[in-house]
Amino acid sequence: AQSVTQLGSHVSVSEGALVLLRCNYSSSVPPYLFWYVQYPNQGLQLLLKYTSAATLVKGINGFEAEFKKSETSFHLTKPSAHMSDAAEYFCAVISSGGYNKLIFGAGTRLAVHP
Amino acid sequence: DAGVIQSPRHEVTEMGQEVTLRCKPISGHNSLFWYRQTMMRGLELLIYFNNNVPIDDSGMPEDRFSAKMPNASFSTLKIQPSEPRDSAVYFCASSTDRERYNEQFFGPGTRLTVL
Repeated sequence: AQSVTQLGSHVSVSEGALVLLRCNYSSSVPPYLFWYVQYPNQGLQLLLKYTSAATLVKGINGFEAEFKKSETSFHLTKPSAHMSDAAEYFCAVISSGGYNKLIFGAGTRLAVHP
Repeated sequence: DAGVIQSPRHEVTEMGQEVTLRCKPISGHNSLFWYRQTMMRGLELLIYFNNNVPIDDSGMPEDRFSAKMPNASFSTLKIQPSEPRDSAVYFCASSTDRERYNEQFFGPGTRLTVL
């Protein structure tokens, strides 16, 4: 069965610092992986997705993630944090079942300090 | 495109009352998902519809919860009777099923408070 583990429920960075949000997956088949962002009082918005085309995936708002099969990881990074990046971030993997069911991680709340 | 539309955005009700949440998926999408988000349990998939047919309702917590999709542009999630532990944010999401990696588009959610 597929699963996702997000290391660190809370991450705090200074404005301009590197953002690194960690995600490890478990999958019996080649995975499809996603990062979603949730701003306060809003729904989830897709940041980027991995569909096996390229291991380095670029998303919106300057975020990117690298798929590393050997490490079963799909960490999210951004070189320089902005105040507007403060939000909750969810890593997800498509279930091996018959449809595009998402298995979500517990989420990481990112705080950005001036 | 207006995105996924949910109503109401906020609902406050008393224990024992019936609650109906509504969702309009993105036009052309044939997959619809209902989720519940709480601090304790995170994001939980409640039910999945494909082409208006419920395919997976294994996440529906109990018989008090029911969901319908009478047509491609409308779905409801009903709780009857409601209980305080049902307080959560309920999200509707839609997608296409052409590829398994098609992303889901989420609505803004309905924040339900049961007193």
